[in-house]
Amino acid sequence: KAGVTQTPRYLIKTRGQQVTLSCSPISGHRSVSWYQQTPGQGLQFLFEYFSETQRNKGNFPGRFSGRQFSNSRSEMNVSTLELGDSALYLCASSLDSFFYEQYFGPGTRLTVT
Amino acid sequence: AQSVTQLGSHVSVSEGALVLLRCNYSSSVPPYLFWYVQYPNQGLQLLLKYTTGATLVKGINGFEAEFKKSETSFHLTKPSAHMSDAAEYFCAVSDAGGTSYGKLTFGQGTILTVHP
Repeated sequence: KAGVTQTPRYLIKTRGQQVTLSCSPISGHRSVSWYQQTPGQGLQFLFEYFSETQRNKGNFPGRFSGRQFSNSRSEMNVSTLELGDSALYLCASSLDSFFYEQYFGPGTRLTVT
Repeated sequence: AQSVTQLGSHVSVSEGALVLLRCNYSSSVPPYLFWYVQYPNQGLQLLLKYTTGATLVKGINGFEAEFKKSETSFHLTKPSAHMSDAAEYFCAVSDAGGTSYGKLTFGQGTILTVHP
């Protein structure tokens, strides 16, 4: 089975711009979670989608949004980028939530200048 | 709220020595616990998980962890370290609660260095 894929792998943007990141989950997985990883804050949960519905959201400003399509692929969008948004953004897929393990993609490294 | 504490941000061992990475959690309900490993410029790879049942869990690459409810701990061990084990390790917890869909709470990570 193919693993979780994320595109693009690297991205450089300027403050004030917006960005869209894409995630394709493992075939058959309907839950997609997004995380932000930074040296200072570690791994922080952004949101989770299941069957095109956002079921959970972390403590991030409204500039961070996402969606999920009928094929379970997911995108996250960050508008009005700030320097502090520079991070590794990880997507993880799972059969469902709670006790099912999450499988992570390689991440998208976003640099905001 | 859940929380995870990993004792020691850096652990250094010699090749062939025991690896012990410590993880303590706080959860108001029985937790589901996970250990992940991250190599440079890569995503996280699942090493092992505890949900219910046997408290000693075996994972990939010779790692294992024991769930101790009384100590709220889930320490990761490997009897003999290999150079390829050098990486960052994360302990994570998931609550079986209605507000925790898809959310893993991670510890701050422990960087394992293995010396020849």
